[in-house]
Amino acid sequence: GAGVSQSPSNKVTEKGKDVELRCDPISGHTALYWYRQRLGQGLEFLIYFQGNSAPDKSGLPSDRFSAERTGESVSTLTIQRTQQEDSAVYLCASSFGTKAGELFFGEGSRLTVL
Amino acid sequence: TQLLEQSPQFLSIQEGENLTVYCNSSSVFSSLQWYRQEPGEGPVLLVTVVTGGEVKKLKRLTFQFGDARKDSSLHITAAQPGDTGLYLCASEGGAQKLVFGQGTRLTINP
Repeated sequence: GAGVSQSPSNKVTEKGKDVELRCDPISGHTALYWYRQRLGQGLEFLIYFQGNSAPDKSGLPSDRFSAERTGESVSTLTIQRTQQEDSAVYLCASSFGTKAGELFFGEGSRLTVL
Repeated sequence: TQLLEQSPQFLSIQEGENLTVYCNSSSVFSSLQWYRQEPGEGPVLLVTVVTGGEVKKLKRLTFQFGDARKDSSLHITAAQPGDTGLYLCASEGGAQKLVFGQGTRLTINP
């Protein structure tokens, strides 16, 4: 596709359930980022993938959060045993190259934990 | 990790007025990006500044990078309702990852 695609766009779940959020980056982009944006807030870095290097997981808030990426393709962010404080928009972005260049964002997945 | 402070956090002004928002850090930026985010969408890059003292213009928007590369400003002339959004600055936070400030939420009233 032409841009970064995220799914689902909206997800409502019950506390304690697991959720998976998917990101399809722009073809050819080696870098992929996940950010969390709480209502009215800025972007909180979660995890960064660059090519086949080990991901930078320094932003993951707890061990309930994990992410995988297949090569330079699709990424999945998994949140286990969701809590109400996990409610937020999860944004995925991709970029070309190894330097922190322009990020192209998806529209986000809005997660609501009841 | 570099921390970016943006001010003001909220700004509401009338159409036609001028405004300036700021992005500051205690550390030197290698480069700095400004993004705008509209409701329900992801942020979109407006500009990247790299050189200390650099000034870039994008129509009614003027971006300035401080001489010491520790601060940046965005000035909007004759603001329009279409300028409404969340303005975010971002810089490399080590190991090539990009970190963002908390943003300035700008509302332009017709």
